[in-house]
Amino acid sequence: EAGVVQSPRYKIIEKKQPVAFWCNPISGHNTLYWYRQNLGQGPELLIRYENEEAVDDSQLPKDRFSAERLKGVDSTLKIQPAELGDSAVYLCASSGWSGEKLFFGSGTQLSVL
Amino acid sequence: DQQVKQNSPSLSVQEGRISILNCDYTNSMFDYFLWYKKYPAEGPTFLISISSIKDKNEDGRFTVFLNKSAKHLSLHIVPSQPGDSAVYFCAARPSNSGYALNFGKGTSLLVTP
Repeated sequence: EAGVVQSPRYKIIEKKQPVAFWCNPISGHNTLYWYRQNLGQGPELLIRYENEEAVDDSQLPKDRFSAERLKGVDSTLKIQPAELGDSAVYLCASSGWSGEKLFFGSGTQLSVL
Repeated sequence: DQQVKQNSPSLSVQEGRISILNCDYTNSMFDYFLWYKKYPAEGPTFLISISSIKDKNEDGRFTVFLNKSAKHLSLHIVPSQPGDSAVYFCAARPSNSGYALNFGKGTSLLVTP
């Protein structure tokens, strides 16, 4: 069974440029999460989807960040415009109906110069 | 505010000895606790979990202990192996906000031969 797939693995952009990350969760998992992990920190939740509905986006900086999960499967996280402080690893995770454990993708390492 | 705290950024243990990683939490609404292991350039992978109604869960070389009165949990690895060298994250799930996890900052474990 394929795990959570994220792309790209690495992205280097200049500040003020837009960037997008893509995530394909484990087949059948209805809940999808985007986390951000800063250097030396644990992952922090940005947004959680139940199917196609964003049920918790309280930590998403909505002035520059947006996310979508069309058809309740794949998801895209976008930053526009990127700032230096956005440099981090962006992790996607998914879980099934029980939600007891999250399965993470390998993440996208973003560097904003 | 950090609701899940891992106060030891790093730990070094000799191969064959016991590794003990500690975690403290502040939120009484946490009902489920997990440990994740992370290698460089990879996403966190689930290791072991424990429900708040239990005080111990064992899986092979890994045992998690939960002390609810002290709001403390620990992960024991016996015997430690060089392949266990990784960053270990403690995570907790609030009973009242879906399945999103709150993570600690992680403890980097180094097992030396």
